[in-house]
Amino acid sequence: DAGVTQSPTHLIKTRGQHVTLRCSPISGHKSVSWYQQVLGQGPQFIFQYYEKEERGRGNFPDRFSARQFPNYSSELNVNALLLGDSALYLCASSHSGTGLGEQYFGPGTRLTVT
Amino acid sequence: GESVGLHLPTLSVQEGDNSIINCAYSNSASDYFIWYKQESGKGPQFIIDIRSNMDKRQGQRVTVLLNKTVKHLSLQIAATQPGDSAVYFCAENSRGGGNKLTFGTGTQLKVEL
Repeated sequence: DAGVTQSPTHLIKTRGQHVTLRCSPISGHKSVSWYQQVLGQGPQFIFQYYEKEERGRGNFPDRFSARQFPNYSSELNVNALLLGDSALYLCASSHSGTGLGEQYFGPGTRLTVT
Repeated sequence: GESVGLHLPTLSVQEGDNSIINCAYSNSASDYFIWYKQESGKGPQFIIDIRSNMDKRQGQRVTVLLNKTVKHLSLQIAATQPGDSAVYFCAENSRGGGNKLTFGTGTQLKVEL
């Protein structure tokens, strides 16, 4: 079975631009969470979606938004990019939305903002 | 604020030795803990988890110990192999927090031949 997939693998954007990152969860998983990982640090929680509804939001500005589609795939959108948005963006999927199940991470999208 | 942190940023061990990676957490509401392994250029890989109603859980070559009294978590890797070289993160989830995981900063494990 395929694991969590993310696209694109790498992305280079300019300050002020907009970016959309995509995630497909493991088949059968209904929850998708997004994390930002800055180099040398642990992942930071951005959003969780379960059954197409937002279930949690981390301490990120409104420039960050996300949504989940009927097939449980998800998009993370970031507007007005800043240099500090450069990071590895990780998607994690889980069957459960309550935090009591294993979460599996994708390989991430490496975003570089110049 | 609430946080999950690691005592040692880098741990070097000889191949075949046992490794112990430690983690402290401060959120007393934490009830689910997970260890992840992250290799360079890859996403975190699930290793083992433990719930707060347990003190110890064993997997294949790995053991997680939980001491709720002092809010301490450890990962023991038996017979460490070169393929174990990676950054290890502990992560915490609290009841009512959905799937939000709070990660520490990580420990770099280096296995020397």
